[in-house]
Amino acid sequence: GQQVMQIPQYQHVQEGEDFTTYCNSSTTLSNIQWYKQRPGGHPVFLIQLVKSGEVKKQKRLTFQFGEAKKNSSLHITATQTTDVGTYFCAGRSNDYKLSFGAGTTVTVRA
Amino acid sequence: KAGVTQTPRYLIKTRGQQVTLSCSPISGHRSVSWYQQTPGQGLQFLFEYFSETQRNKGNFPGRFSGRQFSNSRSEMNVSTLELGDSALYLCASSLRGQGNNEQFFGPGTRLTVL
Repeated sequence: GQQVMQIPQYQHVQEGEDFTTYCNSSTTLSNIQWYKQRPGGHPVFLIQLVKSGEVKKQKRLTFQFGEAKKNSSLHITATQTTDVGTYFCAGRSNDYKLSFGAGTTVTVRA
Repeated sequence: KAGVTQTPRYLIKTRGQQVTLSCSPISGHRSVSWYQQTPGQGLQFLFEYFSETQRNKGNFPGRFSGRQFSNSRSEMNVSTLELGDSALYLCASSLRGQGNNEQFFGPGTRLTVL
């Protein structure tokens, strides 16, 4: 079945630095979604990417969908303490099932 | 607009018992999906209901079941509870389906099986 792998599992970042989390699927995806879950909270939708090679930005966050629609990345610039949490990607396969990656848990050193 | 609500928020059960969890989606949303979240396994998809029909199902045993009512409210049931069923159970609602557009998650029900 479809699997979505996400790396790294943990990311410890110095405040002000940049980091990237990556998602890879074993099969071609129809689209990919990204969510953020703060400690003790529930996942909150960030964005959905649909087109091959698509790039979207939300302030300091840049989301990319690979040309083959099998991988995606989230890049955060100038990390702030408000970026703490776990970032999940979720890929939708052609049978409409949504598979979540294991998440990247981000901690920030002030 | 009110968000997704889940009841109860916390639940303690013993092995062998059964449990029913409830989810009320955002008004107008016809899709409700259920997920199990554990530290070791992450977010695992249980099933999705759309207009009272189960549209998708994850890889969970038959002890896990669900249903959706005409008002889009959904319930999931777990029978013959096992220790490994201890988890945060999240439901999420969306307008057109889990993979079509954004999902709004509820606060979850924390189930502890003793």
